[in-house]
Amino acid sequence: TQLLEQSPQFLSIQEGENLTVYCNSSSVFSSLQWYRQEPGEGPVLLVTVVTGGEVKKLKRLTFQFGDARKDSSLHITAAQPGDTGLYLCAGTTSGTYKYIFGTGTRLKVLA
Amino acid sequence: NAGVTQTPKFQVLKTGQSMTLQCAQDMNHEYMSWYRQDPGMGLRLIHYSVGAGITDQGEVPNGYNVSRSTTEDFPLRLLSAAPSQTSVYFCASSRPGGGAEAFFGQGTRLTVV
Repeated sequence: TQLLEQSPQFLSIQEGENLTVYCNSSSVFSSLQWYRQEPGEGPVLLVTVVTGGEVKKLKRLTFQFGDARKDSSLHITAAQPGDTGLYLCAGTTSGTYKYIFGTGTRLKVLA
Repeated sequence: NAGVTQTPKFQVLKTGQSMTLQCAQDMNHEYMSWYRQDPGMGLRLIHYSVGAGITDQGEVPNGYNVSRSTTEDFPLRLLSAAPSQTSVYFCASSRPGGGAEAFFGQGTRLTVV
């Protein structure tokens, strides 16, 4: 059973546009991560958030962890073709080492 | 700086054949795991290990076997391959503790005909 649902599943936008990707669950997570995956490669970590309400920025990417630690969002400002890829959220629950991955959002940024 | 190394990168199997996917890491990570990635499904956990000699099942363990005799290696065995096991398989390792960065291999693309 997939515990983390991401939306949208696919997103195709023009260079310079803004976008938001959502990661939602009915479970509480002790930490939540965002990864980006490019074709033929494994996912690579972008950010980890651990505190409810936490906001982290990575250049044009802004990550937020929900107050109740059940959801997260990734906002990209002025998207560029280099942002193209599969974005995955992953949560861990207290007392376990298991990473539960979301369903993924495939982003394509057109020049 | 090898990180996590998976072999082979590509494999074609006939239904009923068995094989072992290899995974090795050189970061002395205690936690290792295997995932399969299918379109629209993200990554689903097959098996994981929190240290040498300790393994446990994930979300989709049926048809797969693992063992962890050393910290470095975590092979995944397909006992009798089925077309439903056609997928891309990823091995990952991390330090213990929730929220630690997971490092992934480049994946093995497996096709079962």
